[in-house]
Amino acid sequence: GDSVTQMEGPVTLSEEAFLTINCTYTATGYPSLFWYVQYPGEGLQLLLKATKADDKGSNKGFEATYRKETTSFHLEKGSVQVSDSAVYFCALSHLSNFGNEKLTFGTGTRLTIIP
Amino acid sequence: DAGVTQSPTHLIKTRGQHVTLRCSPISGHKSVSWYQQVLGQGPQFIFQYYEKEERGRGNFPDRFSARQFPNYSSELNVNALLLGDSALYLCASSFLRANYGYTFGSGTRLTVV
Repeated sequence: GDSVTQMEGPVTLSEEAFLTINCTYTATGYPSLFWYVQYPGEGLQLLLKATKADDKGSNKGFEATYRKETTSFHLEKGSVQVSDSAVYFCALSHLSNFGNEKLTFGTGTRLTIIP
Repeated sequence: DAGVTQSPTHLIKTRGQHVTLRCSPISGHKSVSWYQQVLGQGPQFIFQYYEKEERGRGNFPDRFSARQFPNYSSELNVNALLLGDSALYLCASSFLRANYGYTFGSGTRLTVV
């Protein structure tokens, strides 16, 4: 079955540091890939997505590139801010004509940014 | 536009009881999914409904059931609650395809004592 593996957390960085959160996946075919972010006490928010190989998703300074050859979708940001402190989830989904497109999530990576 | 709304936000139940969680999707969204998020873990898929039909079911016991109404809102029901059912239950809606990205509600925090 499908699975998503994320780097172990927690991750603690200083403000303006470079961020990388690793994500690899196991799936048949060509899934769509997502990064979701969860702030304390809230639900998940879609951060960015990519639907085919070599696509780059980007939003709010975050980027991730769909690498089919390495089955990876690493999240990066050049300069993190305190407001980026949250839990980040990598996820995948297969498109379907039948409406059954569940998301398979990784375990999440808690990111804390220190001023 | 209102986002995905879930009710209640918190509740406490006793083992063996029944619980009903409710979800209203974003206007125009016809797909609703339910996820269980145990503390410290990623969300686990429970059900997906599209156009009022069940389209997918995760690896959860038959104590879990759901339905979608004509206005596309949804209910998740859990019978015979166990301590292990304590979790954040998330509802997500989408226009149709997952690659548009699901919009999640803030969840219902269920505590079973």
